[in-house]
Amino acid sequence: KNEVEQSPQNLTAQEGEFITINCSYSVGISALHWLQQHPGGGIVSLFMLSSGKKKHGRLIATINIQEKHSSLHITASHPRDSAVYICAVPVTSGTYKYIFGTGTRLKVLA
Amino acid sequence: KAGVTQTPRYLIKTRGQQVTLSCSPISGHRSVSWYQQTPGQGLQFLFEYFSETQRNKGNFPGRFSGRQFSNSRSEMNVSTLELGDSALYLCASSYGGRIYEQFFGPGTRLTVL
Repeated sequence: KNEVEQSPQNLTAQEGEFITINCSYSVGISALHWLQQHPGGGIVSLFMLSSGKKKHGRLIATINIQEKHSSLHITASHPRDSAVYICAVPVTSGTYKYIFGTGTRLKVLA
Repeated sequence: KAGVTQTPRYLIKTRGQQVTLSCSPISGHRSVSWYQQTPGQGLQFLFEYFSETQRNKGNFPGRFSGRQFSNSRSEMNVSTLELGDSALYLCASSYGGRIYEQFFGPGTRLTVL
């Protein structure tokens, strides 16, 4: 079992739909990072959060440290939101690296 | 503040050659990590440098090496290239402390023929 699990792996939505991507982890963490990667592109940071909720435009990220679960929501989805969304857990105890989820490939149809 | 930069952005090499990739972190960041991304394996951790010292290393063969300079810029070298080394190589920088938020560069796409 991966230490960081994402669901769903693939998601197709119609423009305007509300989208939720989930991330569950088994390692102890103090924060979680949501990342976005467009096809052929580099990785863009969306949110780094350690508690509660953060919002930026149409994107909302929540985290429940006790339940070891985080969600990324996209409201009023648009075709330009089509990308791979990755949750990543920074590990800083004895090592310094990210553990990545498998990614969620989102396609938003016009 | 300028973001993480990587050079070159694209590279084509042949088997057996070696390659050096460069990464300039965000000003003030002392940690640089390198990742390999392939369609089949996803993002895999190569190594992390902090203040010119390798702090952590992933499970890659010795053909993959790196270093960090006093200005925090980092280079990654792959010797005796194999077809399977074709990938997007990403570097990420951070302050390197406990919170450890990483910021990624645009990547170098390496194609090995």
